[in-house]
Amino acid sequence: DAKTTQPPSMDCAEGRAANLPCNHSTISGNEYVYWYRQIHSQGPQYIIHGLKNNETNEMASLIITEDRKSSTLILPHATLRDTAVYYCIVRVLGSNDYKLSFGAGTTVTVRA
Amino acid sequence: EPEVTQTPSHQVTQMGQEVILRCVPISNHLYFYWYRQILGQKVEFLVSFYNNEISEKSEIFDDQFSVERPDGSNFTLKIRSTKLEDSAMYFCASSGSRTDTGELFFGEGSRLTVL
Repeated sequence: DAKTTQPPSMDCAEGRAANLPCNHSTISGNEYVYWYRQIHSQGPQYIIHGLKNNETNEMASLIITEDRKSSTLILPHATLRDTAVYYCIVRVLGSNDYKLSFGAGTTVTVRA
Repeated sequence: EPEVTQTPSHQVTQMGQEVILRCVPISNHLYFYWYRQILGQKVEFLVSFYNNEISEKSEIFDDQFSVERPDGSNFTLKIRSTKLEDSAMYFCASSGSRTDTGELFFGEGSRLTVL
């Protein structure tokens, strides 16, 4: 699986949008971009994933650049409960194994 | 909403003892996983399990570790002779078929403390 690069930490004001960048310059054509988060040592939680089109769900939006070498996860109105470690992961979908490889992620702190 | 459940939530054991961590994956899922997270470190893949056999394992998953799906619903991780360095949070996860989103559903974890 391609590797990703994320900033180690970022702060965000409550109620504002949080934009989390991820660099995956070695991504291959059949690799999807996944975002997970982990709130205070709980089990990781799926947020969103995409291949090349922008995606939106009830939790977040995912913007993938046209060359697919980077992406941004957007939390539109951050709340205190969004304080977590956010992981950007790229992997192939549809293979026989769905193993995820977690990096260090971005620690997001939402401040009141 | 269906969820992955894990027991126990916390187990304290003496070095050298055997430990079994239990997981009930989501009922129609086909792929099962164990991950661990040592305090302050990354979430690390241990093993994946499909069609009643291990499909992939990491170098962490040595002969001291084993997994089993004994009754079609539970998925267990056994550590035969625990070491101090096995102290960690252990997460079970499951996922569906190849045609779904590939999302992994994680349990809340079992914290293992080896003394």
